Amino acid sequence: AQSVTQPDIHITVSEGASLELRCNYSYGATPYLFWYVQSPGQGLQLLLKYFSGDTLVQGIKGFEAEFKRSQSSFNLRKPSVHWSDAAEYFCAVGGSGGSNYKLTFGKGTLLTVNP
Amino acid sequence: DSGVTQTPKHLITATGQRVTLRCSPRSGDLSVYWYQQSLDQGLQFLIQYYNGEERAKGNILERFSAQQFPDLHSELNLSSLELGDSALYFCASSQKRGGTDTQYFGPGTRLTVL
Repeated sequence: AQSVTQPDIHITVSEGASLELRCNYSYGATPYLFWYVQSPGQGLQLLLKYFSGDTLVQGIKGFEAEFKRSQSSFNLRKPSVHWSDAAEYFCAVGGSGGSNYKLTFGKGTLLTVNP
Repeated sequence: DSGVTQTPKHLITATGQRVTLRCSPRSGDLSVYWYQQSLDQGLQFLIQYYNGEERAKGNILERFSAQQFPDLHSELNLSSLELGDSALYFCASSQKRGGTDTQYFGPGTRLTVL
């Protein structure tokens, strides 16, 4: 069964500081990996996704993530955080074929940005 | 704006009641997915429909059912509601059946069961 672990429930950073949100996944085949962001009272917005190819993927809002198969990780990074980045971030893994179309989400990491 | 619409935005009802949540996918998307987000369980996949047919089932209770209509909109029916069904229900859509498809999420329906 596929699973996602986001070890950090809550992270606080100062505006302008760098950010790394951790994500570890468990999946038997080639995973499809996603990061979504949820602002208060909003739906989920896709930040970036990895299907294959270059293991460093660029997303919207200046975010990037690196797929490391050996570590079963897909960590999200941003070099300089803005106050508007405060939100909850979800890592998700999707099936690569067959009938496994669902997304399995981690529990989320809540990001607080201090001025 | 993802292009996925959900109605209503908020729903307050009593235990034992039945409600229907509605979702309209993005134009051209054939797959609709339903997810439940609660504080204790997090985001959980409930069910997927593709072009009117059920394709995948997750942790969906027997009291819950869904369908996708010929115009591709979908409804999630929740019956015999319990306090624990209070949650945010998301609909997502994608172009095809899944896999490399990106799922685009609607704003959600917040259900409160009193």
